[in-house]
Amino acid sequence: DIQMTQSPPVLSASVGDRVTLSCKASQNINKNLDWYQQKHGEAPKLLIYYTNNLQTGIPSRFSGSGSGTDYTLTISSLQPEDVATYYCYQYNSGYTFGAGTKLELK
Amino acid sequence: EVQLQQSGPEVGRPGSSVKISCKASGYTFTDYVMNWVKQSPGQGLEWIGWIDPEYGSTDYAEKFKKKATLTADTSSNTAYIQLSSLTSEDTATYFCARVGTMGPTFDYWGQGVMVTVSS
Repeated sequence: DIQMTQSPPVLSASVGDRVTLSCKASQNINKNLDWYQQKHGEAPKLLIYYTNNLQTGIPSRFSGSGSGTDYTLTISSLQPEDVATYYCYQYNSGYTFGAGTKLELK
Repeated sequence: EVQLQQSGPEVGRPGSSVKISCKASGYTFTDYVMNWVKQSPGQGLEWIGWIDPEYGSTDYAEKFKKKATLTADTSSNTAYIQLSSLTSEDTATYFCARVGTMGPTFDYWGQGVMVTVSS
């Protein structure tokens, strides 16, 4: 099974900061990776699909990149409404979520 | 507007079964695969399995093969998950999630159903 490791587990940042969340796969996943945002008490929401494609309606401050085993979600200018837990998800072989990065305001 | 409306919270006794539903609207139910995802309290997300409502075909994560049964009723546009032989490990929120057209990506989610296993 492919394991997905997200870092850091918790990230504190200030409004306006550029924030980078990482996701590392245990083997090459060929860019078959999505990013989901989950706010407290809500269902997850798709942000980015196939590594770098912005889902319709998602603000352009969100972007994704990566290849092979290493992937990144970047928020160019953190907003208060971005406080949430972010999960990466691979579907190259089976279907596996990372453990999440909890993003907090400093 | 695509909507996935899930049933209400469930309480099940250890060893019993529960069945929760996910009613789809706003799209052609048989055109999209439905997935189910588990989230234990304070924990991350686990993929359980998927069902193709048109053909009834299914696939499950290995750890859920004896725990979950996925079905779909095309007459009511509703997907179901039945959880059997409940234990405390099954206490969790269960989400249905539609796979969109961009690959095995979940573009719409239900609101989640909390299942509590308690005697």
